[in-house]
Amino acid sequence: NAGVTQTPKFQVLKTGQSMTLQCAQDMNHEYMSWYRQDPGMGLRLIHYSVGAGITDQGEVPNGYNVSRSTTEDFPLRLLSAAPSQTSVYFCASSRLPGQGYREQYFGPGTRLTVT
Amino acid sequence: GENVEQHPSTLSVQEGDSAVIKCTYSDSASNYFPWYKQELGKRPQLIIDIRSNVGEKKDQRIAVTLNKTAKHFSLHITETQPEDSAVYFCAASRATDSWGKLQFGAGTQVVVTP
Repeated sequence: NAGVTQTPKFQVLKTGQSMTLQCAQDMNHEYMSWYRQDPGMGLRLIHYSVGAGITDQGEVPNGYNVSRSTTEDFPLRLLSAAPSQTSVYFCASSRLPGQGYREQYFGPGTRLTVT
Repeated sequence: GENVEQHPSTLSVQEGDSAVIKCTYSDSASNYFPWYKQELGKRPQLIIDIRSNVGEKKDQRIAVTLNKTAKHFSLHITETQPEDSAVYFCAASRATDSWGKLQFGAGTQVVVTP
């Protein structure tokens, strides 16, 4: 199993550009989520999904969109990049709470810089 | 929503000594409390977790304690080694809620000096 994969690993954008961060998992997990990590602020939830076609907002959703058309993929779209979106982005997946175990498996991260 | 506070933000310990990190949470319905370790430039990885029906859990040199009444939980690392140097995150969630989300603390940078 590859686990959770993310692409790209690094990205530099100019203010106003858009892009999509890719995330895929091969563990048949229903629950997928996107976090951003900034120094001193821990991991903050952007958006999450409990299955194909079902998404919801987390703590810091503004400026980001998501969709979940398959169990495996959960892309994060930046609509119009801003310097405040400079961060490290992690995708994570896990089983649903009703399935017992709740370990979240994280991807390797994408380091995004917006100039 | 849930709010998790974590202390201290940095912790320096001598190799062989113990390290303790404390977290408090606000949502009394939270019932799942994992701890993640993140080495420099790497992804967070689960090291131990505890559910609210248990007061303490141990795994070799690490242990977690939970006080539901006071709404706080702690990570204990004994006989620290240089490879324990990392950022540690606590988190809380309602694990039985189908929409349960993990709320993370801000993290503790642990430095183990030889």
